[in-house]
Amino acid sequence: QITLQESGPTLVKPTETLTLTCTFSGFSLSTSGVTVGWVRQPPGEALQWLALIYWNDDKRYSPSLKNRLTITKDTSKNQVVLTMTNMDPVDTGTYYCAHRDAHCSSGTSCYTPTPFDYWGQGTLVTVSS
Amino acid sequence: EIVLTQSPATLSVSPGERATLSCGASQSVSSTHLAWYQQKPGLAPRLLIYDASSRAAGIPDRFSGSGSGTDFTLTISRLEPEDFAVYYCHYYGGSPWAFGQGTKVEIK
Repeated sequence: QITLQESGPTLVKPTETLTLTCTFSGFSLSTSGVTVGWVRQPPGEALQWLALIYWNDDKRYSPSLKNRLTITKDTSKNQVVLTMTNMDPVDTGTYYCAHRDAHCSSGTSCYTPTPFDYWGQGTLVTVSS
Repeated sequence: EIVLTQSPATLSVSPGERATLSCGASQSVSSTHLAWYQQKPGLAPRLLIYDASSRAAGIPDRFSGSGSGTDFTLTISRLEPEDFAVYYCHYYGGSPWAFGQGTKVEIK
């Protein structure tokens, strides 16, 4: 079955760079149509999409955070890494990675929009000096 | 950029009653690009509905979705105790992906 697990520091200082790793199983990020994304949630607030990486290394970023985010993948390790620079207390929250699959083996476009169907449990990151 | 606005922010409902949650999009979106999630405290979101009206695997049929264009609705026909949670609508048609601000369904 598909599982995802986020890992990284629980506490970072303002201006530092955050590096989070999503380690997954049950699927391959080299399979056409598969993508992994990152979503965060400040305490008591709504979900916010951050970044997405496709099987072919195509990438998308939230326009408001684009200058601070980098998403990469290591297919051999079944991992996706998100880095966020210049962390600020407003970046405090739970960070989730999530899976989506266009199921394009059946002939549909591998870019067919699909929702996030499997999520990690999330990791709480606090930004404080 | 699509902005999703959910209403109401909080919905107080008694168990067994019907709950109707709304999600408005800032511009028309394809119904095949709209989903609903349920989130309970301390847990990750759970996919309920995709393509506006299709139930995800294992989701009870008391959950239904409808709508098109800019107006979408999630209906819970008879609230069970485990349904009290926060619900988010989600646009996944393309970058930037968007979430609504959520509707909390609480026990009346």
